[in-house]
Amino acid sequence: DSGVTQTPKHLITATGQRVTLRCSPRSGDLSVYWYQQSLDQGLQFLIHYYNGEERAKGNILERFSAQQFPDLHSELNLSSLELGDSALYFCASSGGEQVFGQGTRLTVV
Amino acid sequence: AQSVTQLDSQVPVFEEAPVELRCNYSSSVSVYLFWYVQYPNQGLQLLLKYLSGSTLVKGINGFEAEFNKSQTSFHLRKPSVHISDTAEYFCAGVMDSNYQLIWGAGTKLIIKP
Repeated sequence: DSGVTQTPKHLITATGQRVTLRCSPRSGDLSVYWYQQSLDQGLQFLIHYYNGEERAKGNILERFSAQQFPDLHSELNLSSLELGDSALYFCASSGGEQVFGQGTRLTVV
Repeated sequence: AQSVTQLDSQVPVFEEAPVELRCNYSSSVSVYLFWYVQYPNQGLQLLLKYLSGSTLVKGINGFEAEFNKSQTSFHLRKPSVHISDTAEYFCAGVMDSNYQLIWGAGTKLIIKP
């Protein structure tokens, strides 16, 4: 158990819908990173939050957004979902090196 | 530009044979380097890291890596692999003051019985 908790583990939804993925970082970690992992694109960095503030953006689509709350948990919102958004979404927290959660597998049908 | 390159997308190897997974980086500043492992249907787990000091770094599960500044490499090695080492291995580096990880594309280690 890495100490990073992601919910839900699996999510199946239809095209055009909106979903929210949740991440609770390891106790004491202020940084949260979001990644997308798909078969064709590999591991892609999406966004980084540190203590509630956005620090860096990677290959995040405009249909996607994230936030980090005062209790340091983070949510990744994916809207107007397309078939190509089907992927594993990981969050990682960091107080030094990044520690990963088990991921949320999103299937868009 | 800063980058991390894993030269092999797949490495097949027989059980109990040695293995080397290659990783090269490009950076004009000091680097921190990491190897992560992803077992099937799981998240990524840190194998080992190089921050400074000794260039030979030992990690979990019998893996080690050597930082070579002149070759700009950080290859991962294990003297004898087991079927349980079947996984995808990612090399990553921090090369700027933002501490953002730059990731390699991953190498799938395939163990042949």
